[in-house]
Amino acid sequence: AAGVIQSPRHLIKEKRETATLKCYPIPRHDTVYWYQQGPGQDPQFLISFYEKMQSDKGSIPDRFSAQQFSDYHSELNMSSLELGDSALYFCASSFHQTGRFLLRELYFGPGTRLTVT
Amino acid sequence: DAKTTQPPSMDCAEGRAANLPCNHSTISGNEYVYWYRQIHSQGPQYIIHGLKNNETNEMASLIITEDRKSSTLILPHATLRDTAVYYCIVRELLYNQGGKLIFGQGTELSVKP
Repeated sequence: AAGVIQSPRHLIKEKRETATLKCYPIPRHDTVYWYQQGPGQDPQFLISFYEKMQSDKGSIPDRFSAQQFSDYHSELNMSSLELGDSALYFCASSFHQTGRFLLRELYFGPGTRLTVT
Repeated sequence: DAKTTQPPSMDCAEGRAANLPCNHSTISGNEYVYWYRQIHSQGPQYIIHGLKNNETNEMASLIITEDRKSSTLILPHATLRDTAVYYCIVRELLYNQGGKLIFGQGTELSVKP
């Protein structure tokens, strides 16, 4: 079965640079979630999108932005990178009935490992 | 969402049942108990969920106490590949909400030969 695809898998950037992470949800999934997991930490929710609209917001820094496109893929844009942004970034997708967030499992991608030097 | 409490670590012998407890004493009536696991540096993986009845699937069983204040995830025959961090998450059914999962401190299960 198709899974969530994230690209790139590894990314090395320098301080103050920008980075763009991409997420391709499972086909027919309409909701995308972004998580950040620092070394030795639990995954922290950043932001989510449903039908191309932001549906929820967590601890996402102002330097980060994200969007979901018409084909449901999502991109997380990170600017003015800091050393503390080094982490694993996971994308998850799910399917929700129109207008109703019934409980559905989230399926996670393999993650993008971002290293800021 | 209600908070959960899990032991930080547990060991289990290969082939034996692994019983992972979770306390969620402040759970409310419309909150479900979900279990996910994360094998080292991989994306979290859904295991099972339940409301008040015990549940079983091909991966595990979930036992929820009658008062719903605690639950136990059971891996019936643990293998080395079950070594992972296991997260117990209480999740509210809310219409028109984002449906996000909030991860707390999980249990690091080590399955030993």
